[in-house]
Amino acid sequence: QVQLVQSGAEVKKPGASVKVSCKASGYTFSDFYIHWVRLAPGQGLEWMAWINPNSGGTFFAEKFRGRVTMTRDTSINTAYMEMTGLTSDDTAVYFCVRDRRPNMVGDAFDLWGRGTMVIVSS
Amino acid sequence: EIVMTQSPATLSVSPGGRATLSCRASQSVNDNLAWYQHKPGQAPRLLIYGASTRATGVPARFSGSGSGTEFTLAISSLQSEDFAVYYCQQYDKWPMYTFGLGTKLEIK
Repeated sequence: QVQLVQSGAEVKKPGASVKVSCKASGYTFSDFYIHWVRLAPGQGLEWMAWINPNSGGTFFAEKFRGRVTMTRDTSINTAYMEMTGLTSDDTAVYFCVRDRRPNMVGDAFDLWGRGTMVIVSS
Repeated sequence: EIVMTQSPATLSVSPGGRATLSCRASQSVNDNLAWYQHKPGQAPRLLIYGASTRATGVPARFSGSGSGTEFTLAISSLQSEDFAVYYCQQYDKWPMYTFGLGTKLEIK
């Protein structure tokens, strides 16, 4: 079954870091870019960054540059998103998603994980 | 940054009826526009890409139209499973992808 399975919910204190995993199955992991998108309460979806699982190359939306790191482990078909310096504004559901076309970026997202809830609270 | 504006914020329609959702881009995105359906606790689902192409497995009652700055998602013969939040997304100006704030389609 083609799917992205994400790690479980996290509760963090302000200033802490969080690392969310996204395990791909049912397709060739290295063939499709992985993006991270978040949905904060009362807000719309917000694109954060992408990673090329083949090369490890990344690109970040400006507001996340320097605070978000994306990595992957091709041996276990898993992508990771780590965010540091958490604030209450980072409370959101974080989704990993797959680019629709193989070996390309810049298309719709055809496969989504179910999301990881990250709550930042003192 | 391209701003995507969806309207209305909430749409109430009876089962069996027709829903028309709008999405406007602050500048042209050509036909690089996607629509997603999101139900609470579930993974969002790609419905439409290229403004009008249905994704694999999407029923024909979903149709997308438009180009440039004005787009529409129409859902005919509404089924109970269609009541959800719908988002539009532009991917023309990648790597800066932007989404609308969503339209909640609720049962009237």
